[in-house]
Amino acid sequence: GAGVSQTPSNKVTEKGKYVELRCDPISGHTALYWYRQSLGQGPEFLIYFQGTGAADDSGLPNDRFFAVRPEGSVSTLKIQRTERGDSAVYLCASSSGLAGGKDEQFFGPGTRLTVL
Amino acid sequence: GEDVEQSLFLSVREGDSSVINCTYTDSSSTYLYWYKQEPGAGLQLLTYIFSNMDMKQDQRLTVLLNKKDKHLSLRIADTQTGDSAIYFCAETSRSNDYKLSFGAGTTVTVRA
Repeated sequence: GAGVSQTPSNKVTEKGKYVELRCDPISGHTALYWYRQSLGQGPEFLIYFQGTGAADDSGLPNDRFFAVRPEGSVSTLKIQRTERGDSAVYLCASSSGLAGGKDEQFFGPGTRLTVL
Repeated sequence: GEDVEQSLFLSVREGDSSVINCTYTDSSSTYLYWYKQEPGAGLQLLTYIFSNMDMKQDQRLTVLLNKKDKHLSLRIADTQTGDSAIYFCAETSRSNDYKLSFGAGTTVTVRA
């Protein structure tokens, strides 16, 4: 596709439920990122993939959050036992993954997660 | 994030210049960026500047960087209604050149 796509665009769930958020990066991009944007805030880094492996998952808030990218393309962010504080817009970005210099991240439209 | 700060709101008359300011704390910042976010749309990279530059101009956009004061600004000339959006300042550092650290965003409202 032309850009990064994310599904679903909106997700409403109940406290304690499990959710999966999907990201389809730009074709050929080896690097993929997840960010979380709470209301009135800027995006906060969650995790960075280079290929299939998570190169940096230091931004994941706790062990309820997990992300995978099994074939080095599509990624899924998984949240177990959701809490109301998890409500936010989850943004995915991808980049070419070139080392050094500026590697522009292209962002998807985000998934708005609401935990009731 | 707490390492990047911006004023929250700016109101400007159509046709005037807008100036959005940002301060950051990381002295090892390598690149500094300005992103635009419109309702229902993803973040769009507007422009960026490498830390060894003082100024960058790109059509209506001018970025000024004062590395000594860790101050970044974005000037939009001849502001139009389509410029109404949230503008985010962001930076990456030498040790984490993939991790964008964003400010809270400045909401720019353009009035006729």
